[in-house]
Amino acid sequence: NAGVMQNPRHLVRRRGQEARLRCSPMKGHSHVYWYRQLPEEGLKFMVYLQKENIIDESGMPKERFSAEFPKEGPSILRIQQVVRGDSAAYFCASSPSKSMNTEAFFGQGTRLTVV
Amino acid sequence: GENVEQHPSTLSVQEGDSAVIKCTYSDSASNYFPWYKQELGKGPQLIIDIRSNVGEKKDQRIAVTLNKTAKHFSLHITETQPEDSAVYFCAASMNTGFQKLVFGTGTRLLVSP
Repeated sequence: NAGVMQNPRHLVRRRGQEARLRCSPMKGHSHVYWYRQLPEEGLKFMVYLQKENIIDESGMPKERFSAEFPKEGPSILRIQQVVRGDSAAYFCASSPSKSMNTEAFFGQGTRLTVV
Repeated sequence: GENVEQHPSTLSVQEGDSAVIKCTYSDSASNYFPWYKQELGKGPQLIIDIRSNVGEKKDQRIAVTLNKTAKHFSLHITETQPEDSAVYFCAASMNTGFQKLVFGTGTRLLVSP
């Protein structure tokens, strides 16, 4: 049973370009969470999605950031017109339900560097 | 909103010693407290968790204690081994209907042989 798969592992973008980060949840998991980790800091919640629905995006910047989890395919975190401050590790986690009685499994992250 | 503070930021111990990492949280509504281990270049991995209706939980060399009154919880690792070296994060979550975790800033644990 493959774990949470994120790709790419490393992504370099120039300022102003778009970054697309992909997350394939574990098999059977329909709940996806995105977190951002700045250097030397803890993870910060960004967004929680179920299939085809954004449930909570209270941690997402209002501009340039968007997320989706389509019926088919991986969840996508999209950052438009990237700036240097977007450089961070972005982690996706998935769980089979929203209940806190089930563990959310994290992927290995995508490390975004904006140059 | 919830705020989680974690101490110390770095911790160096000799193999076989115990290590203790402490966290405090601000929102008394938080009721789920997981601990994650993150190795270099990898994602966080859940190592132990505790819920607010329990004061202590143990799993082999790892234990977590929770003091709801003082709003703090701690991770205890006994008989440390070099492979325990990693960054450890505490987190807290309220019963918002889903796992919305607020993380501490992490503790870098180094276990020297």
